[in-house]
Amino acid sequence: GAGVSQSPSNKVTEKGKDVELRCDPISGHTALYWYRQSLGQGLEFLIYFQGNSAPDKSGLPSDRFSAERTGGSVSTLTIQRTQQEDSAVYLCASSLRQFGGETQYFGPGTRLLVL
Amino acid sequence: DQQVKQNSPSLSVQEGRISILNCDYTNSMFDYFLWYKKYPAEGPTFLISISSIKDKNEDGRFTVFLNKSAKHLSLHIVPSQPGDSAVYFCAAVGNKLVFGAGTILRVKS
Repeated sequence: GAGVSQSPSNKVTEKGKDVELRCDPISGHTALYWYRQSLGQGLEFLIYFQGNSAPDKSGLPSDRFSAERTGGSVSTLTIQRTQQEDSAVYLCASSLRQFGGETQYFGPGTRLLVL
Repeated sequence: DQQVKQNSPSLSVQEGRISILNCDYTNSMFDYFLWYKKYPAEGPTFLISISSIKDKNEDGRFTVFLNKSAKHLSLHIVPSQPGDSAVYFCAAVGNKLVFGAGTILRVKS
């Protein structure tokens, strides 16, 4: 079946603008994760959703970042008033269940550049 | 504070030889470890994993070794192939997945 998809694949925006990044997880996967990879850095955990439970937002770097998951499927990561340091690759992943060794399947990422 | 560290940013190996990628962790509560492989412009893909109750897991050319007392794990690829050239991320599972910074592997033909 189809893997995790993300859109857009690339996004260039001006400092101060809002952006929305979309993730379509693998059908049937109850857990969805957002990560960020900045230049030369590892994968930084941002947020995860597990079924209908409240999301774990502990990795969000500031209150300019928010995410939602509608209907337990598609997720949107929103960055308000973007800053240049927000430039990174934003990766979405999904798995059958929450962490605990479940293999996460990653999307191709959205490359965000804030000018 | 980096809980998972990959101290070698890059590694270059001749085709056919062994590639050894290392990873150190600080949190003794981690109980499961994974290696992911990432090609440019693609998301990471799962490669191999190991539970903390084991010290070795093998899958074809890939073997992961875990030394709990040293809080160290390594990924061995043998024989290395040019298609193995990628970024390799070590990850550890506690209450969430924590990734290392990655090691760029280049396999020369």
